[in-house]
Amino acid sequence: GESVGLHLPTLSVQEGDNSIINCAYSNSASDYFIWYKQESGKGPQFIIDIRSNMDKRQGQRVTVLLNKTVKHLSLQIAATQPGDSAVYFCAESEYGNKLVFGAGTILRVKS
Amino acid sequence: DTAVSQTPKYLVTQMGNDKSIKCEQNLGHDTMYWYKQDSKKFLKIMFSYNNKELIINETVPNRFSPKSPDKAHLNLHINSLELGDSAVYFCASTQTAAALGETQYFGPGTRLLVL
Repeated sequence: GESVGLHLPTLSVQEGDNSIINCAYSNSASDYFIWYKQESGKGPQFIIDIRSNMDKRQGQRVTVLLNKTVKHLSLQIAATQPGDSAVYFCAESEYGNKLVFGAGTILRVKS
Repeated sequence: DTAVSQTPKYLVTQMGNDKSIKCEQNLGHDTMYWYKQDSKKFLKIMFSYNNKELIINETVPNRFSPKSPDKAHLNLHINSLELGDSAVYFCASTQTAAALGETQYFGPGTRLLVL
């Protein structure tokens, strides 16, 4: 697949387990954060976002946690499914300015 | 209906050629973007247009020239293609240019290979 040869961090999980994908961001003035999922051969797809005045936000099967003290963002996926296999990107922006993407993490779900 | 569409999906060309990539969004958004994703999957913004006006222009060689004939279209023309231009180019759009909480909608990408 497209991930062959990529030297991105890789998280391998068993189907049904929970996944935690981590991201360290760089700009302490960033006030908006997003997680994107990119499946092989497709464009990034919005998963969940969070503003800097929050430290946790939940969606369907996904939770984003924000720790501004250490500039850390995480994405938790509950009951991971094979369809969750993809590259996950965090992105940050400082009020309406351009999105700056992180390096990406490959999630592999084993059946 | 596809929200953000790009053509072509694949583009293979020789060094030195000039090529264009087209993007259209049917979401009624005001702002459109071009991103470049390299072989390491690193995604970086190149340009942004708001209602046909250029608002973001990152450090991109001037061989790259975006054009927005209307707010639903943002095309990217590349002159004198080089090997290093090989990448996947993504178009994206948002409702407005500068609002907290704007979701960017991405197109499917154009895979450019320069030989």
